[in-house]
Amino acid sequence: QKEVEQDPGPLSVPEGAIVSLNCTYSNSAFQYFMWYRQYSRKGPELLMYTYSSGNKEDGRFTAQVDKSSKYISLFIRDSQPSDSATYLCAMSARTGGFKTIFGAGTRLFVKA
Amino acid sequence: SAVISQKPSRDICQRGTSLTIQCQVDSQVTMMFWYRQQPGQSLTLIATANQGSEATYESGFVIDKFPISRPNLTFSTLTVSNMSPEDSSIYLCSVLTDSAYEQYFGPGTRLTVT
Repeated sequence: QKEVEQDPGPLSVPEGAIVSLNCTYSNSAFQYFMWYRQYSRKGPELLMYTYSSGNKEDGRFTAQVDKSSKYISLFIRDSQPSDSATYLCAMSARTGGFKTIFGAGTRLFVKA
Repeated sequence: SAVISQKPSRDICQRGTSLTIQCQVDSQVTMMFWYRQQPGQSLTLIATANQGSEATYESGFVIDKFPISRPNLTFSTLTVSNMSPEDSSIYLCSVLTDSAYEQYFGPGTRLTVT
């Protein structure tokens, strides 16, 4: 079993739709949860960062962490064609150093 | 946040040669990392670059193949040695901010080995 599971998609939605992206994980030691957006031929861009459980909102983006279920989500409201990218979930633990585990990434296409 | 630059942005190299990739950060950070991302794949950690000591390599990566330097808290280099076509990939520098433990990435170096 992989430490982090993420559906690679692709996920295709019409402009204006609400997008839900999800990851599950197995290591209960993870404390830091991130979402990165990566456009083609670019480096990953840190989109959302959450410590421990709870919700975090930033504009059209909401990140949710449910540590009891080992499940994290990213919601994108009013999706735009410019949101078309690959979204990677990532999580880290500080035990024994600091190492980040990345999901496979979900390719999202928002159609105008 | 942290702003990271990498040089070169891309290169095409001959088999058997070496390429050194530079990474510069706009602020001092304790932890710097080097990742590889093969086409359509997620990120694989190559090593953690330690300032003042040898890098810490992940399983499957060795110092002879990927020597790393970290002369100070804002700069690091990764060398890909004795390249083969299997080394064709995107190489990414990453840092962890000391205060907030946020991890940022550089724009990447796209390497093609012919």
